[in-house]
Amino acid sequence: EIVLTQSPDFQSVTPKEKVTITCRASQSIGTALHWYQQKPHQSPKLFIKYASQSISGVPSRFSGSGSGTDFTLTINGLEAEDVATYYCHQSSSLPWTFGQGTKVEIK
Amino acid sequence: QLQLQESGPGLVRPSETLSLSCTVSGGSISSGTYYWGWIRQAPGKGLEWIGSVYYLGSTNYNPSLKSRVTMSVDTSKIRVSLKLTSVSAADTAVYFCARHSGVNYAYEYWGQGILVTVSS
Repeated sequence: EIVLTQSPDFQSVTPKEKVTITCRASQSIGTALHWYQQKPHQSPKLFIKYASQSISGVPSRFSGSGSGTDFTLTINGLEAEDVATYYCHQSSSLPWTFGQGTKVEIK
Repeated sequence: QLQLQESGPGLVRPSETLSLSCTVSGGSISSGTYYWGWIRQAPGKGLEWIGSVYYLGSTNYNPSLKSRVTMSVDTSKIRVSLKLTSVSAADTAVYFCARHSGVNYAYEYWGQGILVTVSS
């Protein structure tokens, strides 16, 4: 099973500050890595697919990068509506797995 | 717009079987390119992939749950089913159904989720 480790677990950020969340896979997964945003009491929402592909309707301040074992989700200028928990997910190898999540809050 | 809606009992007794349905609207359940998945989230915890099912019946399950899980697609009733046997308190979670395509394995559509509590 591929283990995804996100860092940090928690990040408190001032508005408009840049946010960087990393996701490290226990083995190479190419670019089969996706990012979701989950707000309290809501279902996850796909934000980035295949490491760097943008999703229609997701603000352009969100971007993804990486391949192999190391991936990054970047929020260029945090806004209040971005407060949420972010999860990475790999679809390279069964069983599919998720990272433990990174909670982003406004300082 | 595709919509997924989970339904089922919110309370299940220990050792019994958890049975959930995911009703699909706004799109086809039997398209040749879509797969239906179940993901769960224990209270205050992260996401756990349970498995996925193709409308023709092929399945993939998480090995940690494989001996207890059955997924199926009922194309006539436009719903996807999940059965989890011999439940315990550790199975208490919000259960989500979701869809990905055969060429895009990211979950683009999710249901709102249903909380299932295992308790006597």
